[in-house]
Amino acid sequence: EVQLVQSGAGVKKPGESLKISCKGSGYSFTNYWIAWVRQMPGKGLEWMGIIFPGDSDTRYSPSFQGQVTISADKSISTAYLQWSSLKASDTAMYYCARPSTTGTIDAFDIWGQGTMVTVSS
Amino acid sequence: DIVMTQSPDSLAVSLGERATINCKSSQSVLYSSSNKNYLAWYQQKPGQPPKLLIYWASTRESGVPDRFSGSGSGTDFTLTISSLQAEDVAVYYCQQYYSSPGSFGQGTKLEIK
Repeated sequence: EVQLVQSGAGVKKPGESLKISCKGSGYSFTNYWIAWVRQMPGKGLEWMGIIFPGDSDTRYSPSFQGQVTISADKSISTAYLQWSSLKASDTAMYYCARPSTTGTIDAFDIWGQGTMVTVSS
Repeated sequence: DIVMTQSPDSLAVSLGERATINCKSSQSVLYSSSNKNYLAWYQQKPGQPPKLLIYWASTRESGVPDRFSGSGSGTDFTLTISSLQAEDVAVYYCQQYYSSPGSFGQGTKLEIK
């Protein structure tokens, strides 16, 4: 079964760092892009960025460039989203998602279950 | 960046009636060489991740009931639910994947009247 399994929820303080993960299984991890999507409480979906684990080609939305870092470790089929200094406004559900076609950025047919990040003093 | 705008923001429809959600992109998402519209529709129920319903603007994902259909081309698109069922209560999003960032519409909340 093709699936993306994300790391558990986290509660952090402003200024702290955090790295959340998304592990792919049931398919060739290096051949598909992996995206990160933010959903703030009660709000819509925001495309943050995307990485191709095969060569680590990464693209960011201008809204998130410099605010987060997307990476991947193909040896363990895992993509990451990290912050060096969290803000309260980073409180959100974060999803990873995989496009349906190998090597192509198209519609996301596989989604992780989501990781809730809460930033509060 | 391409901006996606959905209308309406919310919609209440009676069971068995038709529901129509519109999505407009700020520039064309039709790729001329393939004649494909790089547009998808997703359904999100409370506490769940989004689920892909439609891609290439009009192709239903495997397992999606045929009461869901997508249409449109270029900059104007529509998601239609032909006969609303109780389980269709959700928020619906369009998304363009023509260019990065692959922007989403703001969402349309569909409820039962």
